[in-house]
Amino acid sequence: KNQVEQSPQSLIILEGKNCTLQCNYTVSPFSNLRWYKQDTGRGPVSLTIMTFSENTKSNGRYTATLDADTKQSSLHITASQLSDSASYICVVSAIGDDKIIFGKGTRLHILP
Amino acid sequence: GAVVSQHPSRVICKSGTSVKIECRSLDFQATTMFWYRQFPKQSLMLMATSNEGSKATYEQGVEKDKFLINHASLTLSTLTVTSAHPEDSSFYICSARGQGTGNTIYFGEGSWLTVV
Repeated sequence: KNQVEQSPQSLIILEGKNCTLQCNYTVSPFSNLRWYKQDTGRGPVSLTIMTFSENTKSNGRYTATLDADTKQSSLHITASQLSDSASYICVVSAIGDDKIIFGKGTRLHILP
Repeated sequence: GAVVSQHPSRVICKSGTSVKIECRSLDFQATTMFWYRQFPKQSLMLMATSNEGSKATYEQGVEKDKFLINHASLTLSTLTVTSAHPEDSSFYICSARGQGTGNTIYFGEGSWLTVV
């Protein structure tokens, strides 16, 4: 069964600190993995997209990694800011994109 | 980057009436559009997938006669909530993928529906 599991469900850190969010998946055959940021009451915004051959991709203070062998991805946020408070969603697609599987997200709270 | 626009952003309707939400791709042709609903503090739930010119594919448990989806053109899809009830109150989001977007799926800003 195609699944995407994210951890932790929620995370609270102090402003300026780093954090790492995890995404494990069982989607097969794997096509790509995306990380989205969703602010409360807004639509998700794409942060990164990674295909099978990519191990790491950065977007400013966000760095995503992908281990296709262990089917794990992480999103690392450096020097967190208050505006990073949001839900972070991991989305995995199967080849052909007939199926797009969403994780339940990690709710990140940055405290001043 | 590509832009997906939803309208209206907020709508209040009376119980028993129907309400239509539009999803437009502004600078690309959306061959596939997706509709989701999201309850507060919960994850996105895919409702249906629509390909331009064909009938939408609904997820299990989603009533196709209640949530009418039309994808008549490459830039517009609509979701009509028919005979709305208070329990239909939710955040509805569309996303689109198509020519020129590569593997990226772009999301609209969402529409808040309140049924009173």
